[in-house]
Amino acid sequence: EAQVTQNPRYLITVTGKKLTVTCSQNMNHEYMSWYRQDPGLGLRQIYYSMNVEVTDKGDVPEGYKVSRKEKRNFPLILESPSPNQTSLYFCASSLSSLLAGDYNEQFFGPGTRLTVL
Amino acid sequence: KNEVEQSPQNLTAQEGEFITINCSYSVGISALHWLQQHPGGGIVSLFMLSSGKKKHGRLIATINIQEKHSSLHITASHPRDSAVYICAVEKGQGAQKLVFGQGTRLTINP
Repeated sequence: EAQVTQNPRYLITVTGKKLTVTCSQNMNHEYMSWYRQDPGLGLRQIYYSMNVEVTDKGDVPEGYKVSRKEKRNFPLILESPSPNQTSLYFCASSLSSLLAGDYNEQFFGPGTRLTVL
Repeated sequence: KNEVEQSPQNLTAQEGEFITINCSYSVGISALHWLQQHPGGGIVSLFMLSSGKKKHGRLIATINIQEKHSSLHITASHPRDSAVYICAVEKGQGAQKLVFGQGTRLTINP
């Protein structure tokens, strides 16, 4: 089954304690992205990756790191989480625009609800 | 001002009604996406458009590039269509930089 998986699904942590949210896709997609969703602000892109070892900042990258060492995995790292990073996080993947042609479906993971105390 | 604006923010209708959700954007785009977020939080992709019109079942999406406007229509609406509908624009060719609208919360009453 084609899917994007995220772990953990729920996490409560404390300020300053490093954490990693994993994201994995089984569709051999080139593109992967991380988004956060906050009430009143909607979805905002944190980082995206166009292929292995190619990453770039989205609109809200501060306080986050990513890496893309393998095509299927795109972990989100919070080196020193703060309460303002409490949010619902989504990972997504898709084919590259060149390969997808007329329809490039975005596949979203189930979301990770993070609370930083 | 947000680069992507959706209207209305909330919409309540009766089963069977024809629904229209609008999306206007102010930046150059290579494509526009319509997404559906279920009450449980999961997000699914409905359409990607770069021109014209697409139809899938009871859903129709249109885009007018000159007017920087897109609409999502639902015919013969059903309570299972109740969800948040999100418009997102892709800035830059092949860059996958997505900017999202605030979403439209749709409730269909039986």
